[in-house]
Order: sequence, then C-alpha cells, then structure tokens
Amino acid sequence: EVQLVESGGGLVTPGGSLRLSCAASGFTFSAYAMNWVRQAPGKGLEWVSCISSSSSYIYYADSVKGRFTVSRDNAKNSLYLQMNSLRAEDTAVYYCARSTSNFLDYWGQGNLVIVSS
Amino acid sequence: QLVLTQSPSASASLGASVKLTCTLSSGHSTYAIAWHQQQPEKGPRYLMKVNSDGRHIKGDGIPDRFSGSGSGAERYLTISSLQSEDEADYYCQTWGTGSVVFGGGTKLTVL
Repeated sequence: EVQLVESGGGLVTPGGSLRLSCAASGFTFSAYAMNWVRQAPGKGLEWVSCISSSSSYIYYADSVKGRFTVSRDNAKNSLYLQMNSLRAEDTAVYYCARSTSNFLDYWGQGNLVIVSS
Repeated sequence: QLVLTQSPSASASLGASVKLTCTLSSGHSTYAIAWHQQQPEKGPRYLMKVNSDGRHIKGDGIPDRFSGSGSGAERYLTISSLQSEDEADYYCQTWGTGSVVFGGGTKLTVL
C-alpha cells in the first residue's frame, strides 16, 4: 500500500524557516517524481514544487521561487521542503504527492504550517 | 497560458447522477487531465486520468460509479448513484511547461 506521511509543520513567525518532510513507503520511491502542493484555509489547491526521480529536474511555483527548496533522499525514501523567509500567505496545509506521468496519483494526509507573529 | 476552468459549485440529489466539467484554455484542447476528490477535512484523493480522446484510467479502488469522458476542450467527471460521501470538492489537474496546474475546484452538494 502506497503511503505518504508528512511531518515538520507547526507555528513559525514571519521571516522564519521550517523544513517539511514526507516519508514514503509501499512503492519504489526512487522511480517517481514527487510534488509539494499546499492549500490555504478555505482555498483551493496550489502546486508548490516538483522534483524528478533523480533530482535532475526541479520546478517551483513563482510564489515560492527563491524562498523554498525541494530535495529528496532516495536512500531514505524521503522528500523534503525547506521553507525560508516565510510569510503569512504561506499559511496552509502542505501535501506531498507522487507523480505518474505528470499526474498526481497518491497524496499524503497533509501537514499544517501557520506563519504568524 | 494553460488554465483549467471549473464551475464553483454543483448539486444533485441522492441517488441521481451529476456531470462535472473542466475546461482547458485555448490552444490546450488535446491535454489530458486528472480528477481529484477532496472530502471535508481530508486530503485529496486521485480519482482518474481523462485523455483527450475521452478514455479514462481510474485510480486504485475507485468505484464504478465514477467515470470520465471528454469532448473538445472539455473533460468530464460523471458520478452516478450519488451517495452522501460524494459530497466533496473536485479538482481537475494537468501539467504545463514546468508546472502542475489545478482548476479552481467544484464544490458538489448532495441534496
């Protein structure tokens, strides 16, 4: 069974940093691209970043470019999102999701990040 | 620019059928899309991929009540024999040049 479990969220002050992790199991992690998607309270889904299976290709949404860094450790079956210079508008539930041929086919349960003073 | 357009809301009665629409922006009518369901207070769940020819490929464990189709720039999700647990937000998704694109979502109310 495919499982994606996010962790690392919480309350952080504006300008601060946070690192999210996503632990993957139930599939060959190293064979799949992975994504971060977020959802602000009461809003729709917003894609944040994608990293290819071997980390050769990395993409970011304009809203986070230069502030967020995605990475992965295939030996640990883990995906990460380093978030710096956090703003109030980054407050959201963050989901990791697997890609198969550019479509997100499995999602984690989400992890809440609150940016507030 | 690649944009996916969805109606904000839809409603249908328990036991009836409903057809949700996702419209691809001009110049992108051949793109495949995926449908995702998000029940209240839960994470999204992948339902299916719908190709430009209307064929669909469902995710693991998705009931037969859910089906996909397409015509031109429109991609559809049809849910038959509506159940209370189908009340949810439904999002379409595709891939653009270096980015995942989501539609704004349709909130489905089961009456």
